[in-house]
Parts: sequence; structure tokens; C-alpha cells
Amino acid sequence: DAKTTQPNSMESNEEEPVHLPCNHSTISGTDYIHWYRQLPSQGPEYVIHGLTSNVNNRMASLAIAEDRKSSTLILHRATLRDAAVYYCIPRSNYKLTFGKGTLLTVNP
Amino acid sequence: EAGVAQSPRYKIIEKRQSVAFWCNPISGHATLYWYQQILGQGPKLLIQFQNNGVVDDSQLPKDRFSAERLKGVDSTLKIQPAKLEDSAVYLCASSLEGTRGTGELFFGEGSRLTVL
Repeated sequence: DAKTTQPNSMESNEEEPVHLPCNHSTISGTDYIHWYRQLPSQGPEYVIHGLTSNVNNRMASLAIAEDRKSSTLILHRATLRDAAVYYCIPRSNYKLTFGKGTLLTVNP
Repeated sequence: EAGVAQSPRYKIIEKRQSVAFWCNPISGHATLYWYQQILGQGPKLLIQFQNNGVVDDSQLPKDRFSAERLKGVDSTLKIQPAKLEDSAVYLCASSLEGTRGTGELFFGEGSRLTVL
């Protein structure tokens, strides 16, 4: 499985953009990059995934480096409800292996 | 659309007792996962089913943990006998695609186990 490196924690202010980085330098060419988040006392929730091109959905944007060794999850306007642990996961075949993730705190 | 259902939400048992958790995945989802999440850590995959067959159980402590998925729908995870270190949240997830799918996993709210 590809190893990932994420900051342990990040802080943001409400209604400001947030850029959550992830390094995955050992990712294979066929691994999709998945992002999940986990709100307190809930199961993880899918956010977005991509392979090579940047991706957008209603929740967030995913920017993938050209060499695919890193990616950035972008929340365009953070809200208090975005406070969660965010996991970056290269999906190797069928496996989804979670690391420790980044704890995002959103200040009002 | 109904989500992944899990029960019970909370369970407290003494060490050496047994416990069982139940999961009902989203209708039509072929793949079912059980994860264990210890406080402060990310979820760890215990076992994955494709329909009613096991795809991966390499991290399942088979001396005390067992899981089955009858008829490729509901699943149960059993711990017998429980140890203190089994205290965790047990998460069930399902996905529509098969083992090579790249789609999303849908998680239940989890079953919190406390072993005293």
C-alpha cells in the first residue's frame, strides 16, 4: 500500500478557503486518490476521488500534482460543519487503508 | 435511500464474554467491509466480503474474531472471547462495485464496544 503523509492538524476560519495537503510519493500509476472525512462520533464520509485530473464536486475540489506524488483537498468556504478528520487514501485495488488523517478545526 | 444500518450502537461487556455486531448494507451493494477504529486512530480493515465470499481477512484476529455474510446481504461480526484491547468502534461499510471498483464506500454510524 502507498504511504501517505498528512499534517496532524490544521486550523481555519469560517468562510475562508482551506487547502489540506497530502503526500503520497509511493503511489502506483493505477491507484485512485480518495478523500474521506469523519465528523465526531460518526462513520467516515466520502468526499471526493480522482486519478490524474483535478476534480470538483459539491463538497470540495481535488487538485492532483502532475507527478501524482501529492494532492490537495480544497474546501472553498469552510463552515463549522466541516470540522472533522480528513483522510487522504490512495486506493490500491480493492483496499482502502486509512492513516491518521488531518484534524481540521474551524473557528467561528 | 437508506444507508448502512448497524446494531447495537453501544455495547459494554466484561472481558472473556462474547459479543456480536450486525450490519445491513445498502441494497444492491456487492462489497461489504468491517473496520475497527480504536480511539485516536484511523479505521483498520478487518475483513472484506464480495457478495458472500471473503476477499481479504488478513488483519482479522481469527483466534477470537469471526465474520460471516449469509446470502450476500447482511453480515455479523463476532468476538469471542473479548479482550480489553478490543474496545473500539466497529464500522461496517458497503460499496456498489466489485473488488476492483474505484467508487465510494458508504459507512454506517458504527457500534461502540467497551470491554471492562
